[in-house]
Amino acid sequence: DTEVTQTPKHLVMGMTNKKSLKCEQHMGHRAMYWYKQKAKKPPELMFVYSYEKLSINESVPSRFSPECPNSSLLNLHLHALQPEDSALYLCASSRDAAGANTEAFFGQGTRLTVV
Amino acid sequence: GNSVTQMEGPVTLSEEAFLTINCTYTATGYPSLFWYVQYPGEGLQLLLKATKADDKGSNKGFEATYRKETTSFHLEKGSVQVSDSAVYFCALSSNQGGKLIFGQGTELSVKP
Repeated sequence: DTEVTQTPKHLVMGMTNKKSLKCEQHMGHRAMYWYKQKAKKPPELMFVYSYEKLSINESVPSRFSPECPNSSLLNLHLHALQPEDSALYLCASSRDAAGANTEAFFGQGTRLTVV
Repeated sequence: GNSVTQMEGPVTLSEEAFLTINCTYTATGYPSLFWYVQYPGEGLQLLLKATKADDKGSNKGFEATYRKETTSFHLEKGSVQVSDSAVYFCALSSNQGGKLIFGQGTELSVKP
């Protein structure tokens, strides 16, 4: 099983709403990632969890709050977002986050629209 | 710092044409190199990879060779199909905690 599963696939939320994106993998990977992708642009790294601890936060605004409840699950909690936060949010996982040989597997993404 | 440069698109080809998408990189150390493909409305799929100099990655008729002397990892396919229409991203794994460094992406459109 080389699958990373993200839910929901689509999400529309108002600027005062609170919502969560979910990601799951069962490959035994110990590193998990959140990326943000705008149309026709490459993914931009937001957060990295390594062995369930937050290891990288790429200066992401606090209205995005990641959580890693266990080694298979990764959440992204959203609160008070802005319309410019509308994007495709991609989750990925890799065997680990150390060294150069980190082959990442991506989920299908959550298409988020903030209205 | 680490960076990846890809040829700009969009690239439009006829079915069965030869494809080359150029990718060059700047990196410290010995990164692994990847090509990812993104079909419309989907996430990224790993297409192929190479982990050391002179390695050739291949998958689904696509190939790329890790050339350290020219710091390149060009993607090639001998005969493209309409179903290959997608955006292709070249990427390298940095030594920064698993972070992938992506090129800007090259959109490929294959016409029948």
